[in-house]
Amino acid sequence: KNEVEQSPQNLTAQEGEFITINCSYSVGISALHWLQQHPGGGIVSLFMLSSGKKKHGRLIATINIQEKHSSLHITASHPRDSAVYICAVQGAQKLVFGQGTRLTINP
Amino acid sequence: NAGVTQTPKFRILKIGQSMTLQCTQDMNHNYMYWYRQDPGMGLKLIYYSVGAGITDKGEVPNGYNVSRSTTEDFPLRLELAAPSQTSVYFCASSYPGGFSGANVLTFGAGSRLTVL
Repeated sequence: KNEVEQSPQNLTAQEGEFITINCSYSVGISALHWLQQHPGGGIVSLFMLSSGKKKHGRLIATINIQEKHSSLHITASHPRDSAVYICAVQGAQKLVFGQGTRLTINP
Repeated sequence: NAGVTQTPKFRILKIGQSMTLQCTQDMNHNYMYWYRQDPGMGLKLIYYSVGAGITDKGEVPNGYNVSRSTTEDFPLRLELAAPSQTSVYFCASSYPGGFSGANVLTFGAGSRLTVL
């Protein structure tokens, strides 16, 4: 079993829909990152969480340390949100990545 | 700030050649990482470093070497390149102790390597 599991692996939705991507982990962490990678592009850090909830524009990230679970929400989704979203947990010395969720938003 | 700078962006190697991927960060991050990403796949950790003079293997270290003589630089060396090393390589740096949110985890733009 992977230390970091994301679901779903692929998600296709219509423009305007509310999107949720989930991340569960099995190791102790000091922080959790949500990253975004556009096709053929670089990797951008969206959020770093150690507890609670953060919001940036249409993006919201939450984490439940007791349940070892985090969610990334996108409100009013737009085709430009189409990308791979990656959850990464910061362990004692290294980052461990989920396999990514490929999101496609159709107009 | 330049952030994390990787060079070269693209490189084609012949089997058996060697090369070094350069990675430099100017944020005084203590942690640095090298990942590879094969087409359609996730990121796999090659090597990481928690500070100058300290390096450790990740999931897929075979065929690679690293050094960390300074906080800023973390070069990745490929010895005897093989087709299996065709991939996109990402360098990243982080400061796990900082929760201000700014520049805590930063990736380079990636280096696309093809071994023929």
